[in-house]
Amino acid sequence: EAQVTQNPRYLITVTGKKLTVTCSQNMNHEYMSWYRQDPGLGLRQIYYSMNVEVTDKGDVPEGYKVSRKEKRNFPLILESPSPNQTSLYFCASSFNRDGSPLHFGNGTRLTVT
Amino acid sequence: EDQVTQSPEALRLQEGESSSLNCSYTVSGLRGLFWYRQDPGKGPEFLFTLYSAGEEKEKERLKATLTKKESFLHITAPKPEDSATYLCAVTNGNQFYFGTGTSLTVIP
Repeated sequence: EAQVTQNPRYLITVTGKKLTVTCSQNMNHEYMSWYRQDPGLGLRQIYYSMNVEVTDKGDVPEGYKVSRKEKRNFPLILESPSPNQTSLYFCASSFNRDGSPLHFGNGTRLTVT
Repeated sequence: EDQVTQSPEALRLQEGESSSLNCSYTVSGLRGLFWYRQDPGKGPEFLFTLYSAGEEKEKERLKATLTKKESFLHITAPKPEDSATYLCAVTNGNQFYFGTGTSLTVIP
């Protein structure tokens, strides 16, 4: 089954404790990206990657890191999480061509206390 | 500045009562406009892609249309299972920009 898989689905952590959210896709998509979704603000792009070893900042990159060493994986790293990073996170992927829609994972709900 | 604005924020319809959702956008070099459906606690589910003004797409009770400045999602004779949040997004080929969505409730 074609899908984008995120783990974990739920994560509760404390301020400053490094964490990684994994994302993997099995559709051979070149483009991958991370979003956070907050009430009233919608989905905002954190980082995106057009292909392996190519990453770019989205609209809200502060406090996040990403890497794209393999085509299928695109982990999101929070080196020192803070409470304002409490949010619902989505990973998405698509073919890297005009008009290709994003396919989303089921989300990771992160709480930072 | 690239951005997407959706209206209304929320919409309550009786079953069978048709209506339209609006998506206004500004983007430097539109490469595609997308409609998604999102159910609570789940990731957005792709519905349609529109590429150029005048284009229309249909799927069951949903029909999406596109002009140079806005898109409409028309819902004909909705059913309770159509209740969800509908998201609009645009891409310039690099980044995707999403609206805040319209929360649709269809009452039996």
